[in-house]
Amino acid sequence: QSVLTQPPSASGTPGQRVTISCSGSSSNIGNNYVYWFRQLPGTAPKLLIYRNNQRPSGVPDRFSGSKSGTSASLAISGLRSEDEADYYCAAWDDSRGGPVFGGGTKLTVL
Amino acid sequence: QLQLQESGPGLVKPSETLSLTCTVSGGSIRSSSDYWGWIRQPPGKGLEWIGSLYYSGDTYYNPSLKSRVTISVDTSKNQFSLKLSSVTAADTAVYYCAKPSYGDPNAFDIWGQGTMVTVSS
Repeated sequence: QSVLTQPPSASGTPGQRVTISCSGSSSNIGNNYVYWFRQLPGTAPKLLIYRNNQRPSGVPDRFSGSKSGTSASLAISGLRSEDEADYYCAAWDDSRGGPVFGGGTKLTVL
Repeated sequence: QLQLQESGPGLVKPSETLSLTCTVSGGSIRSSSDYWGWIRQPPGKGLEWIGSLYYSGDTYYNPSLKSRVTISVDTSKNQFSLKLSSVTAADTAVYYCAKPSYGDPNAFDIWGQGTMVTVSS
C-alpha cells in the first residue's frame, strides 16, 4: 500500500493531453514539494518534474506539474507513443522523515 | 558527466545480509552539499526509498527499514554502500543508487542502472 495514491492506469491517443493525479495528505503533498518520475520498461526512473512544477534540463515543456492542497497532477500534452511508460509521483513525508512514492500509473498510448 | 553503477551479489539467502556498492564516476562523492540515496523496486511494484547519505556522513533511513539498514561511504574508492540485514523474500527487488540534483535532496536526477537482488535459499 503506497502512501501516495495514483490511478493504476491512464490512456490517451497521439496528440491528446492527459493528466495523471496523485493524492496524499498534509504530512506529505500538503506541506512539501511534489516530484514526478517516468520509468520505461527495464530502465531506471527518470526525473520529469521537481518542486511541483520545475522541469529538469532536457525535459520538454510538454510535461507540466501542478499542486493544489493535498493533491498534485502531471499533465502531458501532445502525447506521443514514446510517452508510454509508468509514471510515479513522490513527496517528502514529515511523519516518516523521508520521501514517499505513489504506486505508479501505467500510461498507454492508444 | 556523473554516473552511478551498482554492484553486489544477485542472490542472498534468507536471514543473511544484503550488501551493495554504488561506484561514482565523473565526480567526487565528497562534493559539498551532496546527498546520495538508495531506492528499491520489488518486481512489478512501485518505488521505495531506503535511505540517504549526506556528504558529511549523516544518514537518513526509511523508518520501516531503519533497524536493518546501514548506508556508509568510502571516499577513497568514491563509493557508497548499502547493507540490509536479516533479509526475507520481501526484500527481493531491483536496488538503485541515485543522486539528487538542483539543490533538492528529493530530486533524484541521476540513477544507476539498478541491480536485481533475489532473496532465496
